[in-house]
Amino acid sequence: ETGVTQTPRHLVMGMTNKKSLKCEQHLGHNAMYWYKQSAKKPLELMFVYNFKEQTENNSVPSRFSPECPNSSHLFLHLHTLQPEDSALYLCASSQDSPGVAGNTIYFGEGSWLTVV
Amino acid sequence: GQQVMQIPQYQHVQEGEDFTTYCNSSTTLSNIQWYKQRPGGHPVFLIQLVKSGEVKKQKRLTFQFGEAKKNSSLHITATQTTDVGTYFCAATPRREYGNKLVFGAGTILRVKS
Repeated sequence: ETGVTQTPRHLVMGMTNKKSLKCEQHLGHNAMYWYKQSAKKPLELMFVYNFKEQTENNSVPSRFSPECPNSSHLFLHLHTLQPEDSALYLCASSQDSPGVAGNTIYFGEGSWLTVV
Repeated sequence: GQQVMQIPQYQHVQEGEDFTTYCNSSTTLSNIQWYKQRPGGHPVFLIQLVKSGEVKKQKRLTFQFGEAKKNSSLHITATQTTDVGTYFCAATPRREYGNKLVFGAGTILRVKS
């Protein structure tokens, strides 16, 4: 069982829909992340939040909009997505800030997104 | 930018055979981590190596960190069907690159019984 919970686990949405992915970590960690995992591609870091402040945005299209209301919760708001955005979206957290060497990442079970 | 290269991309072994995946970087690494992702699952942390030449074991898994801290390997002895999944290395390049954790592309392991 993971200390990082993601909902929904599966989501099918049309290109004109607006939906959100939710993540909650129960580990008391200070940093939270969104990763994208597509078939046959490495894990892609999308956003990083440290103490609920965004510290990294890896050139992610504006149709993905993150929100971090506190250190335990992270959202990914989705609007006007494209079929190529279909992927597994993984939320993760870590005790220390991303700049600390050896920071272990704890992943949630992921949200499988299909854009039709 | 900095990259962590992982090979092979895919390996299919007979149950009982050994398996090794390698992680290489052109940059000296502060440390390296290994993760396992079961089919349909999420990556789970396995271990972290920090010291040059370090070797750690977890049952049938042996992890090594190169002397120059630029490469690492994960070796599984006598694979079992429970070993199937994707194995990722994740490395922290030295401080001048901001200490970001960079993931390799992963090695997919399939075990035939």
